[in-house]
Amino acid sequence: KAGVTQTPRYLIKTRGQQVTLSCSPISGHRSVSWYQQTPGQGLQFLFEYFSETQRNKGNFPGRFSGRQFSNSRSEMNVSTLELGDSALYLCASSLGPGTGQETQYFGPGTRLLVL
Amino acid sequence: AQTVTQSQPEMSVQEAETVTLSCTYDTSENNYYLFWYKQPPSRQMILVIRQEAYKQQNATENRFSVNFQKAAKSFSLKISDSQLGDTAMYFCATIQGAQKLVFGQGTRLTINP
Repeated sequence: KAGVTQTPRYLIKTRGQQVTLSCSPISGHRSVSWYQQTPGQGLQFLFEYFSETQRNKGNFPGRFSGRQFSNSRSEMNVSTLELGDSALYLCASSLGPGTGQETQYFGPGTRLLVL
Repeated sequence: AQTVTQSQPEMSVQEAETVTLSCTYDTSENNYYLFWYKQPPSRQMILVIRQEAYKQQNATENRFSVNFQKAAKSFSLKISDSQLGDTAMYFCATIQGAQKLVFGQGTRLTINP
């Protein structure tokens, strides 16, 4: 079974631009979570989607948004990029709530550099 | 809010030695899960082992085992017969409600030849 895939793997943007990152979960997984990893703040939860609904959101400004499609693929968008948005963005998938399988499996990440 | 604390920022051992990474957590939930993930230089986050809080038996996966002390809220990872490929950042994590993982700060483990 293929793992979680994320595209693109690397991205360079300038301040003020916007960016869209994509995540395809493991086949059969319906929950997708997003995390931001930086040297200073560590791993921080952004949001989680299940059945096209955002069920949980972390403490990030409204410039960070996401969505999930009917095939469980997810995208996250960051508008008006700031230098501090430079980070590794990780996507993780799991079967979803009520399955007893809370384990999240991660993709390779997207490295975003904002200049 | 749940918190996870890893008190060892860095550790270094010789190949074939046994090493134990520490983790403590705080949660108000009764039923929860605990995880250890490793992140090698490739930055890919890889699941090492998981533990359900309601299970008293410590989880084991080959050379990796945990010491889960629920009352003390402690969840340490033991790596036996360490190998060069075990060199990585190790993160302890717990899951809170709707699929939100809360991570510790990480322990950088180096296995020396």
